[in-house]
Amino acid sequence: EVQLLESGGGLVQPGGSLRLSCAASGFTFNTFVMRWVRQAPGKGLEWVSTIGDSGDTTLYADSVKGRFTISRDNSKSTLYLQMNSLRTEDTAVYYCAKKVVPGTALGPSDHWGQGTLVTVSS
Amino acid sequence: EIVLTQSPGTLSLSPGERATLSCRASQSVSSSSLAWYQQKPGQAPRLLFYGASSRAAGIPDRFSGSGSGTDFTLTISRLEPEDFAVYYCQQHGSSPLTFGGGTKVEIK
Repeated sequence: EVQLLESGGGLVQPGGSLRLSCAASGFTFNTFVMRWVRQAPGKGLEWVSTIGDSGDTTLYADSVKGRFTISRDNSKSTLYLQMNSLRTEDTAVYYCAKKVVPGTALGPSDHWGQGTLVTVSS
Repeated sequence: EIVLTQSPGTLSLSPGERATLSCRASQSVSSSSLAWYQQKPGQAPRLLFYGASSRAAGIPDRFSGSGSGTDFTLTISRLEPEDFAVYYCQQHGSSPLTFGGGTKVEIK
């Protein structure tokens, strides 16, 4: 059974940093594109970032480019999101998600974690 | 960036009724790369369809997806109590991946 378990969320002041983790199990982690998607309170879904199966391809939404860094450790089956220079508008539940099939960075996600809440506030 | 517009914003229906949800793209979606997700309060999104009409694992056949180009539709033939939720479309054919604003299907 595929499982994705996010951690690392919490309350941080504007300008601060936070590192999210997503521990994966139940599938061959190093063959799948992974991504982060966020959802602000009461709002819709927003794609944040994608990383290729080997980590050599990374994509970012314009809203986080230059501030967030996605990475992965295939030996630990873990996905990360380093978030710097946080803003109040980054407040959201952050989900990690697995792409449906191996291959390109594009494509839908068939498994999602339960999310971790990041609150940016003074 | 492809902008997705979902309509209506809210759909008020009774169990057993048919639900028709629309997703319109600002430009043609390549290879019908359009997905639908269901989200219930406090839960992660659940993939229903991808490639416009390919049903994800475990999705009941009362759900159907259709469309191409810029116009896509999710249909629920007969609403069950567990179907009342928010539904999002997503285009997955070009970067950045984008989502529609969602349609809430509520009990009338």
